[in-house]
Amino acid sequence: GAVVSQHPSRVICKSGTSVKIECRSLDFQATTMFWYRQFPKQSLMLMATSNEGSKATYEQGVEKDKFLINHASLTLSTLTVTSAHPEDSSFYICSAVGTSGRVETDTQYFGPGTRLTVL
Amino acid sequence: QKEVEQNSGPLSVPEGAIASLNCTYSDRGSQSFFWYRQYSGKSPELIMSIYSNGDKEDGRFTAQLNKASQYVSLLIRDSQPSDSATYLCAVNLLSGGSNYKLTFGKGTLLTVNP
Repeated sequence: GAVVSQHPSRVICKSGTSVKIECRSLDFQATTMFWYRQFPKQSLMLMATSNEGSKATYEQGVEKDKFLINHASLTLSTLTVTSAHPEDSSFYICSAVGTSGRVETDTQYFGPGTRLTVL
Repeated sequence: QKEVEQNSGPLSVPEGAIASLNCTYSDRGSQSFFWYRQYSGKSPELIMSIYSNGDKEDGRFTAQLNKASQYVSLLIRDSQPSDSATYLCAVNLLSGGSNYKLTFGKGTLLTVNP
């Protein structure tokens, strides 16, 4: 149990384009998902908390108009990086917290991550 | 004072030895504690959660929690080269705000030498 997938695993795009990253909980329902960013050799940085059916809560310093988050169902959250620039190149990781079933209910399970490169 | 502190290491142990990883946290009322392992270039994977004082064992891993001392540790017995990774301590701090939100330490890099 507790499988979280992300798609795509790797994306390369041109500066100015938008990129959408999907995060899915495959075998459990997740009312809460988190989005993190990690630069090489640095710690995880929480970007936002996503709750199903409501607006995401962004951490201080994270531009909500640039990083659009949608949590439309109990198994899917998406992060869209709008007008991406080279400085947005990073490793984006989601996590999901299960509500019931075969997972511990207050535990974050991480997806495999999406490596974004903006040229 | 940092909220969740870990020794950044690197911690180097020989194969077969016990690796001891330590973590302290700031909020005395915190209830949920987690250890994650992160291999280079990969995302974190859950090793163990612990909620009550004392020890919790899972295979070669033992988590220890002492809420009075605001201290949580992870012991890895019979360390293997495949255990070489960064180990992240994560705490659901009372000051963290929303439910389930974790505050991570900066991680301890463990190297197990064959």
